[in-house]
Amino acid sequence: AQSVSQHNHHVILSEAASLELGCNYSYGGTVNLFWYVQYPGQHLQLLLKYFSGDPLVKGIKGFEAEFIKSKFSFNLRKPSVQWSDTAEYFCAVRNTGGFKTIFGAGTRLFVKA
Amino acid sequence: KAGVTQTPRYLIKTRGQQVTLSCSPISGHRSVSWYQQTPGQGLQFLFEYFSETQRNKGNFPGRFSGRQFSNSRSEMNVSTLELGDSALYLCASSQPAPGSQETQYFGPGTRLLVL
Repeated sequence: AQSVSQHNHHVILSEAASLELGCNYSYGGTVNLFWYVQYPGQHLQLLLKYFSGDPLVKGIKGFEAEFIKSKFSFNLRKPSVQWSDTAEYFCAVRNTGGFKTIFGAGTRLFVKA
Repeated sequence: KAGVTQTPRYLIKTRGQQVTLSCSPISGHRSVSWYQQTPGQGLQFLFEYFSETQRNKGNFPGRFSGRQFSNSRSEMNVSTLELGDSALYLCASSQPAPGSQETQYFGPGTRLLVL
């Protein structure tokens, strides 16, 4: 069965630290990949997405993610986090031809001011 | 464009009752998906609809059902509520595209508490 694994459930960083959140998926076919963010009290919002082409994708608020097909990974990065990045981050995978998006369990990021 | 709207935003029910939740997609979006979000399980896929047809269904009991109307609005129903059904129910809409290259946009959710 298709699954998505996020390596860290909780991450605590100080402002200006670099961030990398891991995401691995299990599916052998072609996939579409997403990172969503849920700020406290707000809707899930799309951070970035990968459909095809350049495996390094840039999203909003300085976030980027790299798709490494051989490792079935789609890790999220930000060079320097801010207090306002405190939120829960979800990785999601949708296989092409499928009508189902699978989400990881989420990573709660807390950034200390 | 207005975003995805969900009603009601909050709901309290007792065990054994049934509940219907509503979702209005972004104008022009014809696909609607539903998810259950809980602290322990994260976002679990419930079902996805397109043009009034269920395209896929997650691993939930038959007490969970849904439908989509001709105007793309969708409802989901949970019958015989159990305590474990307490959760945030999220609706997402998208515009189908080749290769499933569609982006889902989420509503604020309906928070259901079962007592």
